[in-house]
Amino acid sequence: EVQLVESGGGLVQPGGSLRLSCAASGFTFSSYSMNWVRQAPGKGLEWVSYISSSSSTLYYADSVKGRFTISRDNAKNSLYLQMNSLRAEDTAVYYCATLLTYGGYNWFDPWGQGTLVTVSS
Amino acid sequence: DIQMTQSPSSLSASVGDRVTITCRASQSISSHLNWYHQKPGKAPKLLIYAASSLQSGVPSRFSGSGSGTDFTLTISSLQPEDFATYYCQQSYSTPSSYTFGQGTKLEIK
Repeated sequence: EVQLVESGGGLVQPGGSLRLSCAASGFTFSSYSMNWVRQAPGKGLEWVSYISSSSSTLYYADSVKGRFTISRDNAKNSLYLQMNSLRAEDTAVYYCATLLTYGGYNWFDPWGQGTLVTVSS
Repeated sequence: DIQMTQSPSSLSASVGDRVTITCRASQSISSHLNWYHQKPGKAPKLLIYAASSLQSGVPSRFSGSGSGTDFTLTISSLQPEDFATYYCQQSYSTPSSYTFGQGTKLEIK
């Protein structure tokens, strides 16, 4: 079964740091680009970051650029998001999602179950 | 940046109804449009990719259409499990631009 499981969320003070992990199983993780997407409480989906299969290409949303770092360890089938200088507006459920590509089209599937990050004093 | 606008933002309907949700892009995205739905407390789930391709395992009552800037998701006969929030996503150009619509909450009438 294809599965993504996030971990590492929790309560952190403004200005603090947190590292999220996403463990992949059931597919050849090293062959796929991955993404982080977040959802603030009661709000819609916001794409956060992208990493290619070999880690050669990275993208970040402007809202997190310079504060968040995406990485992966293909030997461990794991994706990471290092979040520094956290702000209240970073409070959200963070999902990891696989980028599938076929015939020039791209979509996110599957998604993990999400991990909640709360930034508050 | 490409903006995605869904309408309506919310919708009340009954089991058995035919429902249509619209998504409009601020510029042409060809057929690079995906649809997801999300139930409370759960992760989004892919329904439609490339504007009209039904994801494996998704019931055939779901269909997608459109190209360019205007897209629709249609549910031919609403079932109780379909009450959820629906999001469109454009996947044109690079992943840094894969923006989502604001969502359409489909509620039971």
